[in-house]
Amino acid sequence: EAGVAQSPRYKIIEKRQSVAFWCNPISGHATLYWYQQILGQGPKLLIQFQNNGVVDDSQLPKDRFSAERLKGVDSTLKIQPAKLEDSAVYLCASSLGLGGGYNEQFFGPGTRLTVL
Amino acid sequence: GQQVMQIPQYQHVQEGEDFTTYCNSSTTLSNIQWYKQRPGGHPVFLIQLVKSGEVKKQKRLTFQFGEAKKNSSLHITATQTTDVGTYFCGGRGSTLGRLYFGRGTQLTVWP
Repeated sequence: EAGVAQSPRYKIIEKRQSVAFWCNPISGHATLYWYQQILGQGPKLLIQFQNNGVVDDSQLPKDRFSAERLKGVDSTLKIQPAKLEDSAVYLCASSLGLGGGYNEQFFGPGTRLTVL
Repeated sequence: GQQVMQIPQYQHVQEGEDFTTYCNSSTTLSNIQWYKQRPGGHPVFLIQLVKSGEVKKQKRLTFQFGEAKKNSSLHITATQTTDVGTYFCGGRGSTLGRLYFGRGTQLTVWP
């Protein structure tokens, strides 16, 4: 079974530039998550989709971050404009669903973003 | 807001020694999950605990959920070099709510 795919794996940009990340979840997984992991910290949820609807985006900095999950499969996360403090690893994860035994999360390899 | 604290931040052990990491929440949790992240890797799911006082074992790993559902622990018996990595707990305030991750405990095992 293929895992969660993410691209690119690494990205270096200058502050005020824009950047986009792509995620392809495990086939059949209804729930998709985007996390930000700053060095030395645990993952912090940015946004959570159930199919193509947003379940939780309470910690997404909406003035600069946006995300979509068209057709309930692939997802993109965009940052515009980037700030120095956005330097982090952006992890995408998916799960079969919400609650019960369906919420084991499978993480992708992540995209390491460096903002100069 | 909900917070999940994890201690210690770092632990260095000799191969064969035991290891324990602790997770504490400021509020009662619906469930808690544990993940392992190898150096340079991504988090990998280990287990989910749901019931008060629950204890689950996976070979040398023992997971506990406190009676009050506010704390949890992961204990590794007789560590091996393959246990190296950062162990994260993630707690949920409600069944369908978001996971709040702790900062993780970074385990180093000396051969």
